[in-house]
Amino acid sequence: DQQVKQNSPSLSVQEGRISILNCDYTNSMFDYFLWYKKYPAEGPTFLISISSIKDKNEDGRFTVFLNKSAKHLSLHIVPSQPGDSAVYFCAANTFGNEKLTFGTGTRLTIIP
Amino acid sequence: NAGVTQTPKFQVLKTGQSMTLQCAQDMNHEYMSWYRQDPGMGLRLIHYSVGAGITDQGEVPNGYNVSRSTTEDFPLRLLSAAPSQTSVYFCASSVSTKSPAEQYFGPGTRLTVT
Repeated sequence: DQQVKQNSPSLSVQEGRISILNCDYTNSMFDYFLWYKKYPAEGPTFLISISSIKDKNEDGRFTVFLNKSAKHLSLHIVPSQPGDSAVYFCAANTFGNEKLTFGTGTRLTIIP
Repeated sequence: NAGVTQTPKFQVLKTGQSMTLQCAQDMNHEYMSWYRQDPGMGLRLIHYSVGAGITDQGEVPNGYNVSRSTTEDFPLRLLSAAPSQTSVYFCASSVSTKSPAEQYFGPGTRLTVT
């Protein structure tokens, strides 16, 4: 049972426009959510996170939105840049639990 | 700091062979973990450790053993490799065992079992 789902395997966006990556989860016990970015032949790198007590968190061009009632989160990248082309993983866990559950990833391609 | 290092980068094994994937971190992190990444499956947790001498199973532990004798090292052992273990393996560490989600990942080991 996939507890964290990323239903779009790929997404293409024009440079300068907004990229929106989506993630849904089924486990209502999750209270901490993260986005990781992965380039080919490298390990994932932590991008941004959000606690369930918030509905929005910003860090520069990256904003994560959380809708707990819908069990949905999204990552907005504005403006999109060619260096943003990567695979993005959504992840979730329960605070104090050592296990992190990942989604299947979305490959984002920024078109110059 | 070198961060999280993994060796080897690539490995080809025959079915039934054994090997150890090495992982080390120089950040004095208590929490370390192993994941495998397969197409369409995301990253799945194999084993993890919250400190030296303490290990536990993740989502897909079968066929793998781990030990944690020091804070720095967390090797992953395949006792009898199977084609189903063909994957990319990532080691990760985190400073906090209470909130281990913000993890630092190594560059990965690509393993092929024939």
